[in-house]
Amino acid sequence: GAGVSQTPSNKVTEKGKYVELRCDPISGHTALYWYRQSLGQGPEFLIYFQGTGAADDSGLPNDRFFAVRPEGSVSTLKIQRTERGDSAVYLCASSLTGTSGETQYFGPGTRLLVL
Amino acid sequence: RKEVEQDPGPFNVPEGATVAFNCTYSNSASQSFFWYRQDCRKEPKLLMSVYSSGNEDGRFTAQLNRASQYISLLIRDSKLSDSATYLCVVNSNSGYALNFGKGTSLLVTP
Repeated sequence: GAGVSQTPSNKVTEKGKYVELRCDPISGHTALYWYRQSLGQGPEFLIYFQGTGAADDSGLPNDRFFAVRPEGSVSTLKIQRTERGDSAVYLCASSLTGTSGETQYFGPGTRLLVL
Repeated sequence: RKEVEQDPGPFNVPEGATVAFNCTYSNSASQSFFWYRQDCRKEPKLLMSVYSSGNEDGRFTAQLNRASQYISLLIRDSKLSDSATYLCVVNSNSGYALNFGKGTSLLVTP
């Protein structure tokens, strides 16, 4: 079946601009996660959705970052007033229920470059 | 201190060699442990979960030592296709969020 998909695959923007990154999880998965991976680092947790609600947004670095999942499926990560330090690969993952220890399936990521 | 620490690598080994990766974690309350594999410019993919009794999947063996908060991955008879970055992963206090190590790069050469 279809895996997690993310669009766009690459995004180049200028400092100060607004960007939206989209994630389409595996059908039927109620849990959705956003991670950010900087060069040479492992992914770092940003936010977790259980259904439509953000159950944990403790990983969001500051209030420029916001994410939604209005219908409990597709999610959008929104970054306002982008900064060069926001350049990274933004990974989305989904899992069936969000239970601890459950396998998370990752999408291919969106490579964001802020000039 | 990072929650998950790994060998820095890179590891360059010839085909057929046995290679071992180590990882330590700081949260003694962690309950779930994994090794993920990440190919260059690709997403992480689950290689195997790690259980307290140790577990094996073909050429791959994972061990967990809860007392020392230490996880290992052993790859026997390395193949060229094993070349990738191996990420040690531990669940966070929340249970659902994953804490990743920086990863260890493996290059298997002919």
